[in-house]
Amino acid sequence: AQTVTQSQPEMSVQEAETVTLSCTYDTSESDYYLFWYKQPPSRQMILVIRQEAYKQQNATENRFSVNFQKAAKSFSLKISDSQLGDAAMYFCAYDGGATNKLIFGTGTLLAVQP
Amino acid sequence: EPEVTQTPSHQVTQMGQEVILRCVPISNHLYFYWYRQILGQKVEFLVSFYNNEISEKSEIFDDQFSVERPDGSNFTLKIRSTKLEDSAMYFCASSVGPGLAGNYEQYFGPGTRLTVT
Repeated sequence: AQTVTQSQPEMSVQEAETVTLSCTYDTSESDYYLFWYKQPPSRQMILVIRQEAYKQQNATENRFSVNFQKAAKSFSLKISDSQLGDAAMYFCAYDGGATNKLIFGTGTLLAVQP
Repeated sequence: EPEVTQTPSHQVTQMGQEVILRCVPISNHLYFYWYRQILGQKVEFLVSFYNNEISEKSEIFDDQFSVERPDGSNFTLKIRSTKLEDSAMYFCASSVGPGLAGNYEQYFGPGTRLTVT
């Protein structure tokens, strides 16, 4: 069965600095999607970025980028120029396609210090 | 921008009562999902739904749960006899296609907070 692990329950970053959130996963599939979702205190789930496993190029969305290491089954999120509005819970998620469901990690609570 | 909507935002019910959580997926989406998040825990998949039938369900989705698309716009989750441990945030999501079929993305609604007393 596929699993997603986020080993950092909490992280803190200074405003305008860069922070990296870690995620590892386990799967026997060769093709899949990986996602980072942001959940602010409102508890809305907001898609931050996604990565297709067959693409070697790391995905980037403005200040958010990923470091996807397929062989290592690692999918980290880098937030550059952190802003106060980035403070939230961040969930890594996996979708193997064949199962048509998202499998989430336990989340990393990010605090941004002014 | 189109969005998934959910009603109510907060539902309080007594143990043993039936509740129906409602969702309106994005109009051109064909795949629908329910997820659950107990406070302080991770988001867990409950069920996926396509072409008026369940595609997949988790072990959480037992006989007390059911889903329905009663008309062309609504997607509902019914919990027949609520238990204290059903207290959670319930998220509806929808997508254009499944899995690896092209531009896949699940869009989440804002959630319904269910409190069972």
